[in-house]
Amino acid sequence: EDQVTQSPEALRLQEGESSSLNCSYTVSGLRGLFWYRQDPGKGPEFLFTLYSAGEEKEKERLKATLTKKESFLHITAPKPEDSATYLCAVTDSGNTPLVFGKGTRLSVIA
Amino acid sequence: DGGITQSPKYLFRKEGQNVTLSCEQNLNHDAMYWYRQDPGQGLRLIYYSQIVNDFQKGDIAEGYSVSREKKESFPLTVTSAQKNPTAFYLCASSIRTGSREQYFGPGTRLTVT
Repeated sequence: EDQVTQSPEALRLQEGESSSLNCSYTVSGLRGLFWYRQDPGKGPEFLFTLYSAGEEKEKERLKATLTKKESFLHITAPKPEDSATYLCAVTDSGNTPLVFGKGTRLSVIA
Repeated sequence: DGGITQSPKYLFRKEGQNVTLSCEQNLNHDAMYWYRQDPGQGLRLIYYSQIVNDFQKGDIAEGYSVSREKKESFPLTVTSAQKNPTAFYLCASSIRTGSREQYFGPGTRLTVT
């Protein structure tokens, strides 16, 4: 059974203080790893898809990386508007829906 | 303007009543999904459909039912058999199931008292 574990559960940063969120996964044959951002009371917003170890993708202050066991979402010089819950999800070699982690709740303080 | 719509945004029902949540997409996606989100629980899959007139149970299907009569629509009925229906419900779609990203609607918050 596919499993996704995100850490930490919550992270509080000062504006400009860079950090990383972790997503570790157990899956038989990774076909894709996905990052989403979710604001309170709203649906998740798609950020990135990573398909193979060593792959990296960037969007503004966010950079996602992938290894064979985990993915990191690096946040460089965050701003208060980056405050949100960040969700990680995986899909395996079968034709199955995404399996989501519980998310990391990020707060960036001005 | 393509996307996924869910209605209503807030829904209130009395215990013992069935209620249907709407989900429509104009992205021409084959696959559609329903998730439930509770505080600290993450997203849990209720049902998904890979194609019209076909759907599969997810991890927490008990007390829920769905239909997929049109490609664009995937309504979810929360029945009176669902023991704890109060939650935030999210609908999503993707080109197909598997290694493709899912896109989410804005969600419906259901409160049952």
